[in-house]
Amino acid sequence: QVQLVESGGGVVQPGGSLTLSCAASRFTFSTYGMHWVRQAPGKGLEWVAFIWSDGSQKYNADSVKGRFTISRDNSKNTLYLQMSSLRAEDTAVYYCAKDSFASSSSVFDYWGQGTLVTVSS
Amino acid sequence: SSELTQDPAVSVTLGQTVRITCQGDSLGSYYASWYQQKPGQAPVLVIYGENNRPSGIPDRFSGSSSGNTASLTITGSQAEDEADYYCNSRDRSGYHVVFGGGTKLTVL
Repeated sequence: QVQLVESGGGVVQPGGSLTLSCAASRFTFSTYGMHWVRQAPGKGLEWVAFIWSDGSQKYNADSVKGRFTISRDNSKNTLYLQMSSLRAEDTAVYYCAKDSFASSSSVFDYWGQGTLVTVSS
Repeated sequence: SSELTQDPAVSVTLGQTVRITCQGDSLGSYYASWYQQKPGQAPVLVIYGENNRPSGIPDRFSGSSSGNTASLTITGSQAEDEADYYCNSRDRSGYHVVFGGGTKLTVL
């Protein structure tokens, strides 16, 4: 069974930075696109970013453009999200999710359990 | 604001059929996928494509679409189907992904 395990969440001050990781296992990581999705407390799901299987194409939501960077290391089966200039409204559970294709199909067939990021002074 | 619109809440009587809808311009070009999320848990894919269920999803879940509206139907609702349901698809540009605001399903 596919496994996705996020880490790196925590409490950070406004304006600060944080890097999230997502360790993937039990599937061929290098052949699938990967996404980050977040969910603010008591709110709905919000797509954050996507990266192609080979890392050649990346897309960000407008709400995080210029502040968040998605990347991956296929040799380590790991997905990353570098977050900077964090704001209170970035407070959320961050999920990594596997796409069902190498490029984006918007079909998220597996999800991790999420890691909580809290932006607060 | 979301480019996909869902009713915030829907209720259904145990054993009956319920339809949850998702409206948006991009659905005229792209299929919607549907996710079930129970409290404190990660979302789970229940329907994708024209009407496909991942392995392990009961056949009481089905999907359909017409024009700019996608629908998730649960035929013979069970108590364990009480959850939040989200639709998603690509946006009109085709490069980004959008989620609906979610529908809270209550099984009475």
